[in-house]
Amino acid sequence: NAGVTQTPKFRVLKTGQSMTLLCAQDMNHEYMYWYRQDPGMGLRLIHYSVGEGTTAKGEVPDGYNVSRLKKQNFLLGLESAAPSQTSVYFCASRDNEQFFGPGTRLTVL
Amino acid sequence: GQNIDQPTEMTATEGAIVQINCTYQTSGFNGLFWYQQHAGEAPTFLSYNVLDGLEEKGRFSSFLSRSKGYSYLLLKELQMKDSASYLCAVRDSSSGGYQKVTFGTGTKLQVIP
Repeated sequence: NAGVTQTPKFRVLKTGQSMTLLCAQDMNHEYMYWYRQDPGMGLRLIHYSVGEGTTAKGEVPDGYNVSRLKKQNFLLGLESAAPSQTSVYFCASRDNEQFFGPGTRLTVL
Repeated sequence: GQNIDQPTEMTATEGAIVQINCTYQTSGFNGLFWYQQHAGEAPTFLSYNVLDGLEEKGRFSSFLSRSKGYSYLLLKELQMKDSASYLCAVRDSSSGGYQKVTFGTGTKLQVIP
């Protein structure tokens, strides 16, 4: 039982490049979330999903897109990366409490 | 929407007791969580309260008062390894039936010898 996994763990992008962060969970959870964490800002919700094929916007959705084609996967896309998107990104899934992945450290130059 | 407040930093002595407070405002309260996050790591679940009262789990306890929009996390017999950030999070059911979880900015606890 791997829990929640994220790939990649680290990434450096140039402004304007695109990338996709992958989150996978093997706990059969319906709910999945993408957060970003910045110093002094805490965890802020980007997008979330309440089940396969559904997505919804969180607090800070601009500049990001998501897809939940399979129940176990939740993808976060950056179409045109900006320096303001430099952050640590956490994926989570839940039944009652949330289980977090190890995080992806993204730097946009 | 939600508004969650908790102190930014606290310092306590090894072996002592510390209480970390959290206040919140929400229109569709559906549970309050406490998470621990060590530097450079992911948050890990500590406790969950949905009814008023105290939930005890070993050295950690969490209290909730829904009428006051208030919770606290109590850590007893502090150990150096308890130095971490403690995140208060509130689940809300007011957004079109979806249950969102919103986190406070966290309280950074430093345990000193």
